[in-house]
Amino acid sequence: ETGVTQTPRHLVMGMTNKKSLKCEQHLGHNAMYWYKQSAKKPLELMFVYNFKEQTENNSVPSRFSPECPNSSHLFLHLHTLQPEDSALYLCASRQNTGELFFGEGSRLTVL
Amino acid sequence: AQKVTQAQTEISVVEKEDVTLDCVYETRDTTYYLFWYKQPPSGELVFLIRRNSFDEQNEISGRYSWNFQKSTSSFNFTITASQVVDSAVYFCALSGGSNYKLTFGKGTLLTVNP
Repeated sequence: ETGVTQTPRHLVMGMTNKKSLKCEQHLGHNAMYWYKQSAKKPLELMFVYNFKEQTENNSVPSRFSPECPNSSHLFLHLHTLQPEDSALYLCASRQNTGELFFGEGSRLTVL
Repeated sequence: AQKVTQAQTEISVVEKEDVTLDCVYETRDTTYYLFWYKQPPSGELVFLIRRNSFDEQNEISGRYSWNFQKSTSSFNFTITASQVVDSAVYFCALSGGSNYKLTFGKGTLLTVNP
């Protein structure tokens, strides 16, 4: 239990669906991250939010749309995804000393 | 640009053996931080250790120990007397200065057999 909760844990969607991933942290951190983990690839940083402001967009396609309404919640809105977007999406929050604390991830399958 | 290399893709050992996971990094930052994370089958990355570039002292925590050598840009991780519960993917990561974007290596899958 790291204090970072992600829902849903598993999601299957068609290419025309719209869905959202949710992340909530109870650690009092001010920065939150989305990472993508695909098979056989390193973890890829997608977005960083610091005090609710987006500070990093790592050239992520617009079919992924993040939202950070407050420092404790982070969403990843998904629409018209492709099968190659199937992956484990990991949310993390950052402690002031730099450590990231991760959730268990949302396993996404795009059919 | 930052880079983390974990040359060992998979390691398999028998319980009670010692095992070392290698990590080599590249960075132009003079101040940087190194991390190790453990990812069990459940998927969650578990933070193990953070080291800053000014502190080359080795660290020991129970059966875990870390060897940081700036001269060879390496930050290796040793598990002593491995146990089945140590089976997981282990990631080494790097962030530079105040840039808290962690760059991860590809990970090493450690399997500890009974």
